[in-house]
Amino acid sequence: GAVVSQHPSRVICKSGTSVKIECRSLDFQATTMFWYRQFPKKSLMLMATSNEGSKATYEQGVEKDKFLINHASLTLSTLTVTSAHPEDSSFYICSADRGTSYEQYFGPGTRLTVT
Amino acid sequence: GIQVEQSPPDLILQEGANSTLRCNFSDSVNNLQWFHQNPWGQLINLFYIPSGTKQNGRLSATTVATERYSLLYISSSQTTDSGVYFCAVGQGGSEKLVFGKGTKLTVNP
Repeated sequence: GAVVSQHPSRVICKSGTSVKIECRSLDFQATTMFWYRQFPKKSLMLMATSNEGSKATYEQGVEKDKFLINHASLTLSTLTVTSAHPEDSSFYICSADRGTSYEQYFGPGTRLTVT
Repeated sequence: GIQVEQSPPDLILQEGANSTLRCNFSDSVNNLQWFHQNPWGQLINLFYIPSGTKQNGRLSATTVATERYSLLYISSSQTTDSGVYFCAVGQGGSEKLVFGKGTKLTVNP
């Protein structure tokens, strides 16, 4: 159990367009979901924390108007990168916890390339 | 905020060798997880170990919370063990994880 999926796994978009990434917990209800960003050969940096039905909490330095997060249900959170630019190109990873402990389970990631 | 340091940053082994990866953290934690990131980027949960010792096959981990470190042991390493190993910690009432910079392990045949 504790499987998290992401869609799409890879996306290429043109500068100025918006891209939506979905994160789903497949076999459990996720009290909280998290969005991370990872640059090549670097560690993961937390972008925001989202709880179902409430506004996301963004980390310092993360533009909330650029990275829109919606946590519509206990199994789905979405990240929309608005007006994407080449510097937004990165590997985006979501995670979720079951609420029974602090353990987080990670999705397979989405590689975004903005041309 | 809490600091997480992993060592060594890089490790090259021959197949069959044993290794120990270390994670030091600067404050008390209530969450500590070890992950293996495979070449496709997937983070695989290895251990949820805020304290104590756990074993899973060839892998085991020990966290000494009072001394603020955790160790990941890999025995009889295989080429499929190659990848980056991350330690991540959380503290207080927060569910946030802070990641170390990782240890890149290469196991040669």
